[in-house]
Amino acid sequence: EAGVVQSPRYKIIEKKQPVAFWCNPISGHNTLYWYRQNLGQGPELLIRYENEEAVDDSQLPKDRFSAERLKGVDSTLKIQPAELGDSAVYLCASSPYRNEQFFGPGTRLTVL
Amino acid sequence: AQTVTQSQPEMSVQEAETVTLSCTYDTSENNYYLFWYKQPPSRQMILVIRQEAYKQQNATENRFSVNFQKAAKSFSLKISDSQLGDTAMYFCAFMKRMRYGNKLVFGAGTILRVKS
Repeated sequence: EAGVVQSPRYKIIEKKQPVAFWCNPISGHNTLYWYRQNLGQGPELLIRYENEEAVDDSQLPKDRFSAERLKGVDSTLKIQPAELGDSAVYLCASSPYRNEQFFGPGTRLTVL
Repeated sequence: AQTVTQSQPEMSVQEAETVTLSCTYDTSENNYYLFWYKQPPSRQMILVIRQEAYKQQNATENRFSVNFQKAAKSFSLKISDSQLGDTAMYFCAFMKRMRYGNKLVFGAGTILRVKS
């Protein structure tokens, strides 16, 4: 069974530029999560989807961050414009119903 | 709100020896789950072991076992016969089931280095 797929693995951009991350969850997993992991810290939830509906986006900085999960499968997380403090690893995870989460390899974002 | 505390930023252990990583948490929930995740330098987060709060018996997975003390809100991970491949960041996590999906709260992590 294929795991959670994320792309790109690495991204370097100048501040004020836009950036997008893509996630393909494990087949059949209806819940999808986006996390941000700062260096040396644990992941922190940004947004949680149940199928195509965002059921918890309370931690998403909505002034510059947006996310979508069209058709309830793949998801895209966007930052526009990026700031220096956005440098982090962005992790995607998925879970079947309410069970444990499976994580992707993450995208390491560096904002210069 | 739930919080998870890992008080050991870094640990080292000799190959083949045993090491214990500490974790405490704070919650008012009665039904929850606890996890230890491993994150090697490649960054893929891997589930090591899970514990249901309603189970008194401590979970074990091969060389990995936990000491779950519900009243003390303590959840430590013991790694026996440490191997070089165990070198990674280890995260303790608290999980509460929600109406949709679940909510995971992570500790800050412990870097474990296994030395040959």
